[in-house]
Amino acid sequence: GQQVMQIPQYQHVQEGEDFTTYCNSSTTLSNIQWYKQRPGGHPVFLIQLVKSGEVKKQKRLTFQFGEAKKNSSLHITATQTTDVGTYFCAGFSGAGSYQLTFGKGTKLSVIP
Amino acid sequence: EADIYQTPRYLVIGTGKKITLECSQTMGHDKMYWYQQDPGMELHLIHYSYGVNSTEKGDLSSESTVSRIRTEHFPLTLESARPSHTSQYLCASSELLTTDTQYFGPGTRLTVL
Repeated sequence: GQQVMQIPQYQHVQEGEDFTTYCNSSTTLSNIQWYKQRPGGHPVFLIQLVKSGEVKKQKRLTFQFGEAKKNSSLHITATQTTDVGTYFCAGFSGAGSYQLTFGKGTKLSVIP
Repeated sequence: EADIYQTPRYLVIGTGKKITLECSQTMGHDKMYWYQQDPGMELHLIHYSYGVNSTEKGDLSSESTVSRIRTEHFPLTLESARPSHTSQYLCASSELLTTDTQYFGPGTRLTVL
């Protein structure tokens, strides 16, 4: 079945440093989605990427979808303590398996 | 913010008890899910449903069962709770056959003593 790999599993950064998490799928995706889960909270949908090579920005967050639609990245510029949490990517293949497959997540800690 | 509710939010219960975790959504979504998650760890899909009278097992084997008698309601039942069931249980919903963007409830933190 479809697999979605996410690295790194953990990342500790000093406040103000940049952060990137990477996501790779074993199959071509129809779309990729990103979710954020704050400590003690539940995952919250951030964004969806659909087109090959698509880049979207949300303030300090930049999301990219690879040309082959099999990989994606989330980059945070100048991290803040409010960025703390676990970031999950999730791939949707569409055909045959109408189900989102989540990566294992990257847990971000920000040291003030 | 999505309208999906879970009760109870916290539950501490003894071994062998039967429990039902409630999940309701008011968005009219066809598809609903149950995930099991240890704190800060990956999401494990244990059950999902495409709609009324549809239930499927997820990727992680679970001793729990689910039912979908009404579109808005997707309860999860454990007939005999054990300490190994201690975890957070997250319910989610999405519109069927679109992008499958999921909206999560706040979760139920279950502790089995």
